[in-house]
Amino acid sequence: AQSVSQHNHHVILSEAASLELGCNYSYGGTVNLFWYVQYPGQHLQLLLKYFSGDPLVKGIKGFEAEFIKSKFSFNLRKPSVQWSDTAEYFCAVNAPWGNNRLAFGKGNQVVVIP
Amino acid sequence: SQTIHQWPATLVQPVGSPLSLECTVEGTSNPNLYWYRQAAGRGLQLLFYSVGIGQISSEVPQNLSASRPQDRQFILSSKKLLLSDSGFYLCAWSTTSTDTQYFGPGTRLTVL
Repeated sequence: AQSVSQHNHHVILSEAASLELGCNYSYGGTVNLFWYVQYPGQHLQLLLKYFSGDPLVKGIKGFEAEFIKSKFSFNLRKPSVQWSDTAEYFCAVNAPWGNNRLAFGKGNQVVVIP
Repeated sequence: SQTIHQWPATLVQPVGSPLSLECTVEGTSNPNLYWYRQAAGRGLQLLFYSVGIGQISSEVPQNLSASRPQDRQFILSSKKLLLSDSGFYLCAWSTTSTDTQYFGPGTRLTVL
C-alpha cells in the first residue's frame, strides 16, 4: 500500500544540536512533498514544501529539506536547534494515488532540552 | 487573508449522543475542504473531503458523516457517538487538490 514513513517517533536532543528527521514515501511518480509542524497548543502549520525545481528547499525558522527522488525521501534538517523547536513534525505527500489526497506520516515528537 | 475556524474547541459527549462539529473558511471561494482525525503516534487520518457544495467523499467507513451545506462550511456529524470516536478532529482547506492544505485549530472530542 502507498504510505509515508517517519522513523524515530520520539527524538530528544539538546539545544545547538543538529536535527535530521527522515521521511520516505512509497510512490514512484510525481509527488508534492510537505513538512508540517505542530507546536504545543498551536495549529498544525506548514514548515516547507516541495513541488518542483531545486530539490533543496528552505522553510521557516531555519529548517530545510532535501528531496532525493532516487531514494523516495524528503528529509528535514536544522543545523542548530533551539528550545522553541520542541514540537511534533509531520511529513506529508500528495500524489495521484487515490485522487491526490494528502497522506501523512505518523509524526516525530521532538523535544529540545535547554 | 484566509482564515479557518472550528468549533467547539473541546467537547465531552456521552456514548450514543449525536455530534456536530463545524468548520468555516473565510477569505477564499470554492475551497477544497477536509476532515482529519489525529491520534497520538498515528499521524493524521483523512476522514472526508469535499470539492464543492454537496460533494462529499468518504475515506474510511465509520460512524461519522460529513456535509457541506454552503461553499465555505463543512460539518462533521454522527447520529450516535461511540467511545472510539474520541480524538482530535482537524478541518483543513486548500485551493486545489494538490496544493498546500491549511489547518484549523481543531476540536478535542471526548466520548465517555
